[in-house]
Amino acid sequence: AQSVTQLDSHVSVSEGTPVLLRCNYSSSYSPSLFWYVQHPNKGLQLLLKYTSAATLVKGINGFEAEFKKSETSFHLTKPSAHMSDAAEYFCVVSRGYSSASKIIFGSGTRLSIRP
Amino acid sequence: NAGVTQTPKFQVLKTGQSMTLQCAQDMNHNSMYWYRQDPGMGLRLIYYSASEGTTDKGEVPNGYNVSRLNKREFSLRLESAAPSQTSVYFCASSEGQGWSNQPQHFGDGTRLSIL
Repeated sequence: AQSVTQLDSHVSVSEGTPVLLRCNYSSSYSPSLFWYVQHPNKGLQLLLKYTSAATLVKGINGFEAEFKKSETSFHLTKPSAHMSDAAEYFCVVSRGYSSASKIIFGSGTRLSIRP
Repeated sequence: NAGVTQTPKFQVLKTGQSMTLQCAQDMNHNSMYWYRQDPGMGLRLIYYSASEGTTDKGEVPNGYNVSRLNKREFSLRLESAAPSQTSVYFCASSEGQGWSNQPQHFGDGTRLSIL
């Protein structure tokens, strides 16, 4: 069975400070992991994905995530927050090579940026 | 680049009415998906199509039907709308044949209210 837990429903940081959005997963198989971003009234956009290559994955807009198998975590980070980063972020887990019906979305973390 | 286009963007229906949500992609993707997004929850898969001519149920298919009209288009139909189907509906597409390790490209959503 698979599951994904986003540990914070809301994170607020000041502009220019680091961002940490936490995601833990559970998977009986080698997982594929994704982070998506959703701006208001828009669809989801892929930030980055992990599919068993390098454990540190770099994405768009300065975001990166580290796959830690021992901790079953895939936390999203950014060194310096920008006002345009304010959005909803979703962590997604799936069984590596399986049907798309096995994809599980987290419940989301809303990121707010204080000026 | 248009990507994934959904119509309409907004719709209000009365209980018992029917309607079809349209989705088209111009990326020559084999796989297409329909999700619903409810407050405080991640996306839940309604139906997907791994290739032209095939459709499969996702996590929450009850009350919906789909048609993969051709490679570009994938429609979602509500035969008899119920208030529980009030939600934001997203269409997505991806490369491959419905594999879970492929990132998905999303439309901007259809906001549907059932009174």
